[in-house]
Amino acid sequence: QVQLVESGGGVVQPGGSLRLSCAASGFTFSGYGIHWVRQTPGKGLEWVAFIRYDGTNTYYADSVKGRFTISRDNSKNTLYLQMNSLRTEDTAVYYCAKNRLLGSYFFDSWGQGTLVTVSS
Amino acid sequence: EIVLTQSPATLSLSPGERATLSCRASQSVSSSLAWYQQKPGQAPRLLIYDASNRAAGIPARFSGSGSGTDFTLTISSLEPEDFAVYYCQQRSNWPPFTFGPGTKVDIK
Repeated sequence: QVQLVESGGGVVQPGGSLRLSCAASGFTFSGYGIHWVRQTPGKGLEWVAFIRYDGTNTYYADSVKGRFTISRDNSKNTLYLQMNSLRTEDTAVYYCAKNRLLGSYFFDSWGQGTLVTVSS
Repeated sequence: EIVLTQSPATLSLSPGERATLSCRASQSVSSSLAWYQQKPGQAPRLLIYDASNRAAGIPARFSGSGSGTDFTLTISSLEPEDFAVYYCQQRSNWPPFTFGPGTKVDIK
């Protein structure tokens, strides 16, 4: 069955960097676009970034543009999120989520999430 | 950016009752809207996509309707496991993909 497993979260100081990973299994990873979505503690959901199935195009929320980079390695079935210049407002649980279908842009499978805490 | 608003913020109901949740978009999203359920400590789960299509494995008591700017998620008869937070999400005009603030369905 489809499985997405995030890792790499932790505590980092403002201005610091962190790289999240999302290991995928149970489906043809190279055939699907994948997103990062975050959720601040006790709050709602915010879409962060999207990468097409072949990595040719990436898209970002304005709140992270220029600071975060989404990438993927289809040979390793793994998605990444490089987060630089972190701010306290980036504190959240970060989920990777898979497109339901090519071009669907609804998220039919999610990981369990990894917590990023930005604090001095 | 398309803003989604959800109402009510909290819905207090008893098991067996009917739940009606609303999602309104700041501009038309056609039928490009989904609903998700999230329980404490869990990731969201896709319930409905394209406004009215149930995702795989979702019970028939969940139904979605609407188009344009006004959408409804209906749970025909609440089961104990349905008490959760529900979010709507649009994919009509992106980036960004946007979510509503959520409706919490709790036990009366």
